[in-house]
Amino acid sequence: EVQLLESGGGLVQRGGSLRLSCAVSGVTFRSHAMTWVRQPPGKGLEWVSGINSNGDSTHYTDSVKGRFTISRDNSKNTLFLQMIGLRAEDTAVYYCAKFDGCTQVDGCALDVWGRGTLVTVSS
Amino acid sequence: QSALTQPASVSGSPGQSVTISCTGTSSDVGSYNLVSWYQQHPGKAPKLMIYENSKRPSGVSNRFSGSKSGNTASLTISGLQADDEADYYCCSYASDTTYVFGSGTKVTVL
Repeated sequence: EVQLLESGGGLVQRGGSLRLSCAVSGVTFRSHAMTWVRQPPGKGLEWVSGINSNGDSTHYTDSVKGRFTISRDNSKNTLFLQMIGLRAEDTAVYYCAKFDGCTQVDGCALDVWGRGTLVTVSS
Repeated sequence: QSALTQPASVSGSPGQSVTISCTGTSSDVGSYNLVSWYQQHPGKAPKLMIYENSKRPSGVSNRFSGSKSGNTASLTISGLQADDEADYYCCSYASDTTYVFGSGTKVTVL
């Protein structure tokens, strides 16, 4: 069974930093592009960032460019999201998800999701 | 990167069918056959229900079907059941190598 387990969320002050991790098991991690999606409390889903299987191609939504960095360690089956310059509007549950059958961020669906980790930015 | 437009809510009685629309632009929905749909129950992670406009992952009921025409995609749930009550989100790949989700639709089973 494929499992994704996020960690690293918490309460941080505006302008602060946080690093999220997503441990992946049950699948050949290095063969899959991965992504982060967030959901503010009571609101809808927002795609945040994606990374290809090798880790050498990354993509971001405009609102996080220059502040968030996605990366991965294929030797440890772990996905990361480094977040700096956090704002109140970054408050959300952050989900990591696996792209279905894609090594690149090029249109595949998100077939397995973690349970999410809550990031709260206090102002 | 504006969210795709979905109705805020739809409802139906058990056994009926409901359809959720998802309207985007020529830069996302209209350009690619890469619309997916996700079901989310309260407090749970989203679940993939449809991919590539109309394909169902293994294990998803054939009561769920998807289609696309131009800049609008649709999800139809037939034979509505109590457990179908949830939030549903569409998602499309976009021309700037990003993804965009819909605003979400709450399905209520009357």
